[in-house]
Amino acid sequence: SYVLTQPPSLSVAPGQTARITCGGDSIGRKSVHWYQQKPGQAPVLVLYDDSDRPSGIPERFSGSNSGNTATLTINRVEAADEADFYCQVWDRSSDHYVFGTGTKVTV
Amino acid sequence: EMQVLESGGGLVQPGGSLRLSCAASGSTFSGYAVSWVRQAPGKGLEWVSTISANGGSTDDADSVKGRFTITRDNSKNTVYLQMDSLRAEDTAVYYCTKRRGGFQSDAFDIWGQGAVVTVSS
Repeated sequence: SYVLTQPPSLSVAPGQTARITCGGDSIGRKSVHWYQQKPGQAPVLVLYDDSDRPSGIPERFSGSNSGNTATLTINRVEAADEADFYCQVWDRSSDHYVFGTGTKVTV
Repeated sequence: EMQVLESGGGLVQPGGSLRLSCAASGSTFSGYAVSWVRQAPGKGLEWVSTISANGGSTDDADSVKGRFTITRDNSKNTVYLQMDSLRAEDTAVYYCTKRRGGFQSDAFDIWGQGAVVTVSS
């Protein structure tokens, strides 16, 4: 089965840049989506199709995807960005949806 | 804007059954595929099941295949998850989520607040 690997945690100072990676075999060939989940809340879609932002998501959130790694970048990190982040793809070979292992971002 | 609300969660003994419901408001569900995603306590997100917009196609994770059944009633704007032969490892918050487009590779853009399912004797 397809596996998406994320670093378990990331610590970043306010105002700095956070880069969260999502590794998977030839992930650059897939559409990657990113979700933010704050404690006790449902996930929220923050990026879809590698780098597109839903309405209401700040421009500080951006994404890229190439080779075996997709990356979510958060510029000018704020305290309110503290959350768990998950990447997600659809795996054509298994017809299953796959989530990454999740990254806890601490500000 | 569409909102979704899950219901039907609770405490059930191992081997028991439970049916979750996911009702949409503010817009119709009928044109979109809907999925269930769960999160065990302290763990990450796990996709469970997906049903196509017209209900004609479903997919299930290997961990629930043969035990869980996803269905929908578009006249009621509602999707269901029938969970049978429940195990302790099925204990989780179950989220209902809508796919944003018509492609299987599309993201999940609308999420409910979740229904808590606890399997314990």
